Amino acid sequence: EPEVTQTPSHQVTQMGQEVILRCVPISNHLYFYWYRQILGQKVEFLVSFYNNEISEKSEIFDDQFSVERPDGSNFTLKIRSTKLEDSAMYFCASSGDGANYGYTFGSGTRLTVV
Amino acid sequence: AQSVTQLGSHVSVSEGALVLLRCNYSSSVPPYLFWYVQYPNQGLQLLLKYTSAATLVKGINGFEAEFKKSETSFHLTKPSAHMSDAAEYFCAVSRGNRDDKIIFGKGTRLHILP
Repeated sequence: EPEVTQTPSHQVTQMGQEVILRCVPISNHLYFYWYRQILGQKVEFLVSFYNNEISEKSEIFDDQFSVERPDGSNFTLKIRSTKLEDSAMYFCASSGDGANYGYTFGSGTRLTVV
Repeated sequence: AQSVTQLGSHVSVSEGALVLLRCNYSSSVPPYLFWYVQYPNQGLQLLLKYTSAATLVKGINGFEAEFKKSETSFHLTKPSAHMSDAAEYFCAVSRGNRDDKIIFGKGTRLHILP
């Protein structure tokens, strides 16, 4: 079964550093998303992306965050200057059209900011 | 705006007993509804989805859910619990538009008693 792949699985970074989280969505999917889950809390929407631009973003997705699809296969989330409160599990998801509709999530990247 | 409410942050059932996890939704348009399962330190796996076809939806691992518009509910059931069902379960809703985000409930942790 097709999978969404996320790398790395764990990332530890110092406060103020930039991090890039990487995702390879399912190849025939057109819609891409990032979510985060702070430990013990609900899964929160960050941003959706379609046709090389942001479709929607939440209030969490401030100027410190950016997304990119640099090469037609990877989908990245960049956090410019990490804060302690950015520590969370970050999930990438993709969805297709028609019969392929449905959100497939990756296994997540656990980001720890120290 | 859309939302889901999961009743009970923790539910305990005995092995072999019926599993019932409750979810009520709020949506201004006909919703698409989902149940995801998250095992410890893992990603989100789709159990089943309702996309306006049959109201009784069968998913993986013996789970099913019934869409009841009159009750705005989408409860998840399984006739006989297994120890391997112990996990966090998330109900989620979307508007079904192609690039729409999915919104999660706070989750219910299912405990299976031997």
